[in-house]
Amino acid sequence: ILNVEQSPQSLHVQEGDSTNFTCSFPSSNFYALHWYRWETAKSPEALFVMTLNGDEKKKGRISATLNTKEGYSYLYIKGSQPEDSATYLCAWLDSGNTPLVFGKGTRLSVIA
Amino acid sequence: SQTIHQWPATLVQPVGSPLSLECTVEGTSNPNLYWYRQAAGRGLQLLFYSVGIGQISSEVPQNLSASRPQDRQFILSSKKLLLSDSGFYLCAWRDSGTGAGYTFGSGTRLTVV
Repeated sequence: ILNVEQSPQSLHVQEGDSTNFTCSFPSSNFYALHWYRWETAKSPEALFVMTLNGDEKKKGRISATLNTKEGYSYLYIKGSQPEDSATYLCAWLDSGNTPLVFGKGTRLSVIA
Repeated sequence: SQTIHQWPATLVQPVGSPLSLECTVEGTSNPNLYWYRQAAGRGLQLLFYSVGIGQISSEVPQNLSASRPQDRQFILSSKKLLLSDSGFYLCAWRDSGTGAGYTFGSGTRLTVV
């Protein structure tokens, strides 16, 4: 069984703090790494799709990096806001047709 | 543009009753379709996926089943629900043969009582 691990499991930060989470995945047969943002009572929303070693993606205050050789990705949030509170999921893909394998997520709570 | 519809949004069913959750996609053809479940305190678990009509791959062979009677329709069923079937069910699609991201449906909260 190939697992995707995310850490920490949960995180509480103050508004304005910057934070980051880790996703580790199998480095063999890599095809893509996805990040999703999942708010309570809503469906997950895609943040980034990353395919190349060394990729860096950015969307507003959120950015992500990818290291396919060592099998990890970091998600960074700069200047956290209460509306950033959500569960952040990463998911690994080993080919274009197989399903994504999701980690259990990092639950972020930003306190005003 | 592509849209995905999933219903119902919430469902409370007694143990032993049947289940049918439906998911349809519009604006695309031959999508890859997926059913995931999040049980309480756990991550997203893949239940079934389909790369074409009538083609179903099962990841969790329990009392659930899935069918794809049409290209853009994916149905999750059970003949007799168990308490352990409670959870949040998500349907998703993505373009076949690509690493593109999933688009998820709005989810179904199932409570088996």
